[in-house]
Amino acid sequence: ETGVTQSPTHLIKTRGQQVTLRCSSQSGHNTVSWYQQALGQGPQFIFQYYREEENGRGNFPPRFSGLQFPNYSSELNVNALELDDSALYLCASSLAGSQETQYFGPGTRLLVL
Amino acid sequence: GESVGLHLPTLSVQEGDNSIINCAYSNSASDYFIWYKQESGKGPQFIIDIRSNMDKRQGQRVTVLLNKTVKHLSLQIAATQPGDSAVYFCAERAAAGNKLTFGGGTRVLVKP
Repeated sequence: ETGVTQSPTHLIKTRGQQVTLRCSSQSGHNTVSWYQQALGQGPQFIFQYYREEENGRGNFPPRFSGLQFPNYSSELNVNALELDDSALYLCASSLAGSQETQYFGPGTRLLVL
Repeated sequence: GESVGLHLPTLSVQEGDNSIINCAYSNSASDYFIWYKQESGKGPQFIIDIRSNMDKRQGQRVTVLLNKTVKHLSLQIAATQPGDSAVYFCAERAAAGNKLTFGGGTRVLVKP
């Protein structure tokens, strides 16, 4: 186990709704990255948070947003959910910005109906 | 090195044999590479990493080889065990970058 925790484990939403996913980083890690993993594919980078600010973003629309808190935990928010948002959402924590190994949590499985 | 869809390439290996998983990466500016193992219903688990100033690195039962000339990465698993059955992903990171770019994954099935 990496010490990275995510909640909830599973979630079902309907199209157009909003969702908030949560991540607690491994003790001592101050950087959190979020990834989307569609079924049968590799994870795709959404964005990274370091020192409570966004530190890089992948090719995802603005309706994907995030926060990082002073205790380094993080939230991923997705507005106006679409069917294609159904995926496993992974967070990964790392130490000291972008240059260290990222350790993943178990993920949140989101199903949009 | 982006995803390849629902049908992952599969490597079937006899228990006790060695496994070799290959990965072609896309960005010549990448300087850090990681292999992850993902079991069903779980997040990716770190196995081993290598930086671009090396061409080989060994861990416990695993070896990663890096060939920058042809942008190829491989993971060798010695004496494959049933617990090694999983999907394996390679990931690359560009120098001074922060995101990991994952390959499409290879499913390893260990036959008893």
